[in-house]
Amino acid sequence: SSELTQDPAVSVALGQTVRITCQGDSLTYYYASWHQQKPGQAPLLVIYGKNNRPSGIPDRFSGSSSGNTASLTITGAQAEDEADYYCDSRDSSGNHWVFGGGTKLTVL
Amino acid sequence: QVQLVESGGGVVQPGRSLRLSCAASGFSFSSYYMHWVRQAPGKGLEWVAVISYDGSSEYYADSMKGRFTISRDNSKNTLYLQMNSLIPEDTAVYYCAKDRTDCGGGACYSYFDYWGQGTLVTVSS
Repeated sequence: SSELTQDPAVSVALGQTVRITCQGDSLTYYYASWHQQKPGQAPLLVIYGKNNRPSGIPDRFSGSSSGNTASLTITGAQAEDEADYYCDSRDSSGNHWVFGGGTKLTVL
Repeated sequence: QVQLVESGGGVVQPGRSLRLSCAASGFSFSSYYMHWVRQAPGKGLEWVAVISYDGSSEYYADSMKGRFTISRDNSKNTLYLQMNSLIPEDTAVYYCAKDRTDCGGGACYSYFDYWGQGTLVTVSS
């Protein structure tokens, strides 16, 4: 199976831009998707596919990909964006899924 | 609107079994793959298993294969996870998640588009 690697923690000043990355071999074959999780809550999909946002997700969230690295960018971070962010994708077998270890985002 | 409601969690002794359920509504349940994902206390998300829309295919994370069984009853719009030989390391919140697969530009990609609120399983003597 494959692994997805994320930085454990990232911080950003209020209103600034932050990029959260996710690395893994499977990302050369499959898109990553991104989920936001706040304390005590279920995960919430924020980005999927090439760069798609579900209805209701602010357009300050965007996604990109290059080689074996996927990125989630928040342009103009807000206090309510403080959360854990997880990437996921299928693994190289195509029949299993894998999550990154998560990135704790702090908005200063 | 899509709703996924898990139930069946609780405290169970090591070596015992437990069956989780996930009641789905607001979408055509029989048309979608479904997943179980778990999260140990203070830890990250861990994929557990997936089942095809008609139940004909199942895949499991290596660490759970042979102990866990995913199944579904499309007549009841319900997903299940049978967990046997439970160990303390299985202590986690278990989420069911709906799969969606989109195709375009010659490629298909799948993602978890909806999640339930989770049910806590505690394995302890």
